[in-house]
Amino acid sequence: EADIYQTPRYLVIGTGKKITLECSQTMGHDKMYWYQQDPGMELHLIHYSYGVNSTEKGDLSSESTVSRIRTEHFPLTLESARPSHTSQYLCASSGGTGPPYEQYFGPGTRLTVT
Amino acid sequence: QKEVEQNSGPLSVPEGAIASLNCTYSDRVSQSFFWYRQYSGKSPELIMSIYSNGDKEDGRFTAQLNKASQYVSLLIRDSQPSDSATYLCAVKEYNTDKLIFGTGTRLQVFP
Repeated sequence: EADIYQTPRYLVIGTGKKITLECSQTMGHDKMYWYQQDPGMELHLIHYSYGVNSTEKGDLSSESTVSRIRTEHFPLTLESARPSHTSQYLCASSGGTGPPYEQYFGPGTRLTVT
Repeated sequence: QKEVEQNSGPLSVPEGAIASLNCTYSDRVSQSFFWYRQYSGKSPELIMSIYSNGDKEDGRFTAQLNKASQYVSLLIRDSQPSDSATYLCAVKEYNTDKLIFGTGTRLQVFP
């Protein structure tokens, strides 16, 4: 079944640790995105990729980095976690070259940095 | 700064009523528009997309787009308590595949 997967779903980690949030999709999509959302707040785009070896920073400044070595995989890495990184991280994907350019979201990773 | 504006609510409607959610956007050249539903603590779920002026219906949901007035709305007919959620309006940025999201409208459907 075509879907978007994110692991872990919940993560509590101490300050200074390196973490990688995983995102994989079996949708056959070429475009993938990472959003950050605090509770009750709007979504902010932090990274996106239009294909393999293509990554761009989004509109919200983020200390995280991403890579896109395989079409279906778009991991996000924080080299040194801080309490300010506590948030929900949402991965999304979209495909096709014409409208309507729909994006589909994974279940999210809720990160807490202590 | 391109913006997408929504009334934060909460919008309270009785079960069985029509819920009307509105969204305005600032970039006149925007072409594609989306409504997402987000339950508390969950990820956004795509309900509808629309890119032509007029109405688009899918079951109990109708999206309405008026590009001249730069607004898009979502009607939910026969509202159910399970429709209680935050509804996010999103607009595709012109010439990119990035979406700009509004802050969402919280809908409460009471029995």
